[in-house]
Amino acid sequence: KAGVTQTPRYLIKTRGQQVTLSCSPISGHRSVSWYQQTPGQGLQFLFEYFSETQRNKGNFPGRFSGRQFSNSRSEMNVSTLELGDSALYLCASSLAGEGNQPQHFGDGTRLSIL
Amino acid sequence: AQSVAQPEDQVNVAEGNPLTVKCTYSVSGNPYLFWYVQYPNRGLQFLLKYITGDNLVKGSYGFEAEFNKSQTSFHLKKPSALVSDSALYFCAVRDKSSGDKLTFGTGTRLAVRP
Repeated sequence: KAGVTQTPRYLIKTRGQQVTLSCSPISGHRSVSWYQQTPGQGLQFLFEYFSETQRNKGNFPGRFSGRQFSNSRSEMNVSTLELGDSALYLCASSLAGEGNQPQHFGDGTRLSIL
Repeated sequence: AQSVAQPEDQVNVAEGNPLTVKCTYSVSGNPYLFWYVQYPNRGLQFLLKYITGDNLVKGSYGFEAEFNKSQTSFHLKKPSALVSDSALYFCAVRDKSSGDKLTFGTGTRLAVRP
């Protein structure tokens, strides 16, 4: 079974631009969550989608948004990029989003802002 | 609000010796607890979980963890460390009311010397 796939793996943008990251969950998984990983702040929860609905949201500004499609694939968008948005963005999927199943992570998209 | 503490930034151990990576948590109600490992330039890899039942949980690659409710701890252990165990380890907690949202500790870097 294929794992969680995130594209692209690496991305370089400049301040003020916007970016879209993509995540394909494990087949059959309906819950997709996004996390930001930085050396200073560690791993922080961005949001969770289940059956195309945002179910949970972390403490990030409105520039960070996401969506989930009917095939469970998810995208996250960051607008008006800032230098502090440089990070590894991780996507994770789980079977039913009930909390007692482990999340499976992709290898992430490393976003660098110049 | 739920939280996780990993008091050690780094743990050093000799190959063949037992290892312990510490984790304490704070959550309302009964927690779901997880350990993940991260290798360089990779996402997080699930090691083991505690949901309910036996306090000693066995996971992948010979790792195990002991859930202690009175001390609100969930320490990761391995009887005999391998050089290949050197990586970044994260403890995470999810309470039953937060869907799939994981709250992570700051991570502990494990260094196993030959």
